[in-house]
Amino acid sequence: DQQVKQNSPSLSVQEGRISILNCDYTNSMFDYFLWYKKYPAEGPTFLISISSIKDKNEDGRFTVFLNKSAKHLSLHIVPSQPGDSAVYFCAVEGMRFGAGTRLTVKP
Amino acid sequence: DTAVSQTPKYLVTQMGNDKSIKCEQNLGHDTMYWYKQDSKKFLKIMFSYNNKELIINETVPNRFSPKSPDKAHLNLHINSLELGDSAVYFCASSRYRGEKLFFGSGTQLSVL
Repeated sequence: DQQVKQNSPSLSVQEGRISILNCDYTNSMFDYFLWYKKYPAEGPTFLISISSIKDKNEDGRFTVFLNKSAKHLSLHIVPSQPGDSAVYFCAVEGMRFGAGTRLTVKP
Repeated sequence: DTAVSQTPKYLVTQMGNDKSIKCEQNLGHDTMYWYKQDSKKFLKIMFSYNNKELIINETVPNRFSPKSPDKAHLNLHINSLELGDSAVYFCASSRYRGEKLFFGSGTQLSVL
């Protein structure tokens, strides 16, 4: 019963371009959404979050967009850097994670 | 001074053995969690404790028993280990339930 889905297992972008990672959720009652970043052999680290009262939240190069009617959120990274290469997870209810998207940023 | 630390980092053991993984957080958080990341890389919640009380138990076999002696510690004991238990186990904590999580670096468990 996946309550949060990340349908793209991987994404490859060129350095300097935009990376867009997507996430869909099933329950319209969810009101807080988080993105985490994970490097190999490390635990996930919190990246950015958004509350359902907003439709956008920005932190430097990272912006999260929330479309409540579509039950969809996306993470934009601009410009993408090689150090952004990692697995990105979206999460709902503070603790339920999607399957992750592996981002590779090529120099 | 790592915020969430778990030991050991690697654990290799035989089927049928009993093993424990320890977790400690020095963030003063009220809520702690155990996650399992399987071979398909899904990060699945197993348990959550709030102030030493179990609040979430996600259909985990009862061979897995979490223990929280105080709110800074959440240990995971696994009895009669099976091949399918091989995974990376992550401990995490949050200020309260629903808040962002702080993760340990994981314990790679290999059951032979």
